[in-house]
Amino acid sequence: GAGVSQTPSNKVTEKGKYVELRCDPISGHTALYWYRQSLGQGPEFLIYFQGTGAADDSGLPNDRFFAVRPEGSVSTLKIQRTERGDSAVYLCASSRDGEQYFGPGTRLTVT
Amino acid sequence: GQNIDQPTEMTATEGAIVQINCTYQTSGFNGLFWYQQHAGEAPTFLSYNVLDGLEEKGRFSSFLSRSKGYSYLLLKELQMKDSASYLCAVEGSGAGSYQLTFGKGTKLSVIP
Repeated sequence: GAGVSQTPSNKVTEKGKYVELRCDPISGHTALYWYRQSLGQGPEFLIYFQGTGAADDSGLPNDRFFAVRPEGSVSTLKIQRTERGDSAVYLCASSRDGEQYFGPGTRLTVT
Repeated sequence: GQNIDQPTEMTATEGAIVQINCTYQTSGFNGLFWYQQHAGEAPTFLSYNVLDGLEEKGRFSSFLSRSKGYSYLLLKELQMKDSASYLCAVEGSGAGSYQLTFGKGTKLSVIP
């Protein structure tokens, strides 16, 4: 497809479980970003990849959150021991030279 | 710290003009973005300002004053489909020059 895609679109999990959220960026975009958006708020930066490496992970809230991008394309955001406060929409964006293109997001609900 | 302020909600009439303001106080600044976000959808790019002044793109215009830490988005000839949240985002305000810091968004309702 032409845009950023994210799977799943919705994820409901129980407190304490592990989840993985996937992002497929636009082909050729070397930069990839993860954001988290809570209801009524703007997106909040989590982590930024340039190629395969995490150039900046300063936005990750704690060590339960981890993200990888092993081949410089698809990225996976991993959340361990989920908590109810992790419930939010997780947005992925990619860019080549500035403008960030966002995916539709994954709505995570922790019960 | 980073502080980006915009009104929470606005209402305007179809066919009218509306101005959405954004003020920012950030530790760094490389540019300012405006995004549109319909409920349940991803943000989509509207405009990017680096230099002071007005950038016009069809019915949408965006203004920036770096000395005042101020921007606005101007929407002309409002249509019902313009009902959405409008997000102001500052680039370069975080640890990296690429980072976007978003405001909470302004929910615009266009009424007939």
